[in-house]
Amino acid sequence: DGGITQSPKYLFRKEGQNVTLSCEQNLNHDAMYWYRQDPGQGLRLIYYSQIVNDFQKGDIAEGYSVSREKKESFPLTVTSAQKNPTAFYLCASSSTGLGNQPQHFGDGTRLSIL
Amino acid sequence: GENVEQHPSTLSVQEGDSAVIKCTYSDSASNYFPWYKQELGKRPQLIIDIRSNVGEKKDQRIAVTLNKTAKHFSLHITETQPEDSAVYFCAASETGANNLFFGTGTRLTVIP
Repeated sequence: DGGITQSPKYLFRKEGQNVTLSCEQNLNHDAMYWYRQDPGQGLRLIYYSQIVNDFQKGDIAEGYSVSREKKESFPLTVTSAQKNPTAFYLCASSSTGLGNQPQHFGDGTRLSIL
Repeated sequence: GENVEQHPSTLSVQEGDSAVIKCTYSDSASNYFPWYKQELGKRPQLIIDIRSNVGEKKDQRIAVTLNKTAKHFSLHITETQPEDSAVYFCAASETGANNLFFGTGTRLTVIP
């Protein structure tokens, strides 16, 4: 969906470094989500946010942090505490935080360790 | 919480044949069931979804069926084409949940 923009497309992290993945949406959606996808695997929820200034941990939040200061932005920081950060990271949004709404995904960021 | 299981994990069909992917869910309160298609290295895209007040929904060559009693739903693709080759994910959720719960994916290969 052209309404969700993730950047950068590729990112390399050095050991001990924090890196931040950007996710911006212009769909006026209330809820935003971060997923991690490992090769050949499904989608695992890292964090989600139903409204501005509020966010909740997903299934694999350890080693990650987020903020939601603006409705359209939900950046994800991969901290040095995340020992195995190599994965494909997908950001998504939905019109509301209710579970029975479709989620729309960005193009993803592929993170690798140098 | 909700648990969604998806089968098979891989599926190969000849071009023109049909493909069926099945998912089961555990939470009887779930009332929304989307299907996503993800091509290699790209974003998952919603291809069809169904809500629990209907048993079947069709969109051209794609259909989804829902059996609420048995708590399973299936994706049917007819007259498959090479461009249908991708990974397909099912998901389930209900109004009070905060998120979609995804299956582990099915890699569909359509052989020309």
